[in-house]
Amino acid sequence: SAVISQKPSRDICQRGTSLTIQCQVDSQVTMMFWYRQQPGQSLTLIATANQGSEATYESGFVIDKFPISRPNLTFSTLTVSNMSPEDSSIYLCSVERGGPIYEQFFGPGTRLTVL
Amino acid sequence: AQSVTQLGSHVSVSEGALVLLRCNYSSSVPPYLFWYVQYPNQGLQLLLKYTSAATLVKGINGFEAEFKKSETSFHLTKPSAHMSDAAEYFCAVSARDDKLIFGTGTRLQVFP
Repeated sequence: SAVISQKPSRDICQRGTSLTIQCQVDSQVTMMFWYRQQPGQSLTLIATANQGSEATYESGFVIDKFPISRPNLTFSTLTVSNMSPEDSSIYLCSVERGGPIYEQFFGPGTRLTVL
Repeated sequence: AQSVTQLGSHVSVSEGALVLLRCNYSSSVPPYLFWYVQYPNQGLQLLLKYTSAATLVKGINGFEAEFKKSETSFHLTKPSAHMSDAAEYFCAVSARDDKLIFGTGTRLQVFP
């Protein structure tokens, strides 16, 4: 398993501002992922963050809106830019140590409310 | 492409009763299947996983799931519900790669 922390745990932000969410893992991992969980809904993958390369974004998500950094094997950030109330969600990071099982472990999430 | 369908967005049981949460999957390749639990205001915790070994998989907290290829199902069960089992449960499928596709979730309520 892995111990994953996220900062902040929650925040209330104003429309038009940006928020950077941090994800820290207690050991080196190959893959890190960012998910969005909108109120009452399931998880949707935003992007995969690989160390040393650009993040890979899923359909419907773009780098200008959700820039991601992955400076080393234990840390990543997700920025939610130019926020609107529709961005109010829980944002979760997860990690995976690599095959063959591709099992993911999740952080506690960041609960974002945009006014 | 992979997909997951969870039948029943809400399930209510009495304490001590059988818990049955349904999950059906679609996959173009032999899948890996997972059940995660999310307690209020927390992240997701892995309950159990199927990776093509035994078809009956035992997980934490007394939960188990059976992989049935003929029915494309991976239902989650627990013989006797406990109040602490109240949570949101997500089934997920992987095409043996890095991507997890989640179902829409089932909220389990347990009544005394």
